[in-house]
Amino acid sequence: DAGVIQSPRHEVTEMGQEVTLRCKPISGHNSLFWYRQTMMRGLELLIYFNNNVPIDDSGMPEDRFSAKMPNASFSTLKIQPSEPRDSAVYFCASSLGVSGANVLTFGAGSRLTVL
Amino acid sequence: AQSVTQPDIHITVSEGASLELRCNYSYGATPYLFWYVQSPGQGLQLLLKYFSGDTLVQGIKGFEAEFKRSQSSFNLRKPSVHWSDAAEYFCAVERNTDKLIFGTGTRLQVFP
Repeated sequence: DAGVIQSPRHEVTEMGQEVTLRCKPISGHNSLFWYRQTMMRGLELLIYFNNNVPIDDSGMPEDRFSAKMPNASFSTLKIQPSEPRDSAVYFCASSLGVSGANVLTFGAGSRLTVL
Repeated sequence: AQSVTQPDIHITVSEGASLELRCNYSYGATPYLFWYVQSPGQGLQLLLKYFSGDTLVQGIKGFEAEFKRSQSSFNLRKPSVHWSDAAEYFCAVERNTDKLIFGTGTRLQVFP
């Protein structure tokens, strides 16, 4: 298996632009997580899905952020409009989704810079 | 609410020296406990996990961790550090919620 695949690896955009980050989880994993990592706040869970259904989006910062999982093999995290404070590394992770055995496999991350 | 504390932000050791990274959790019951490692520019990789049973767990790359219920701790150890161990280390907890809560991380620097 190729692991969790994220794209793009790096994105530089201007304030106000729309940003879409993509994630392909490991085949057979039924839970998918989006995390954001910054120096100031560390690793924050933004949202997670189980069987393509959003379970907890309490970590999504505000309405500018949205996430979808249209099928078991694809998820997107969208920021519209983007702001400089959104600059961070965004990680996608997937797991078998069983509590207590929730070993996450992380992608390599998408580094976002908003100018 | 569950929380994880890693009191050491940055640790520097010499190659070949022993290592202990501290992790304390706050939760009414014993959570599931994890250590992850992040190399520069990479995602997080699982080092080891504790669910139940033997309180000393072995992981990859020669790491081990010991769960101490009385201290609410899950410290990570390695008897002899290699230069390639330089990375950031994250402790995480989870209990019946499917959500992993991560500590703020400890950055390990290794000098030759």
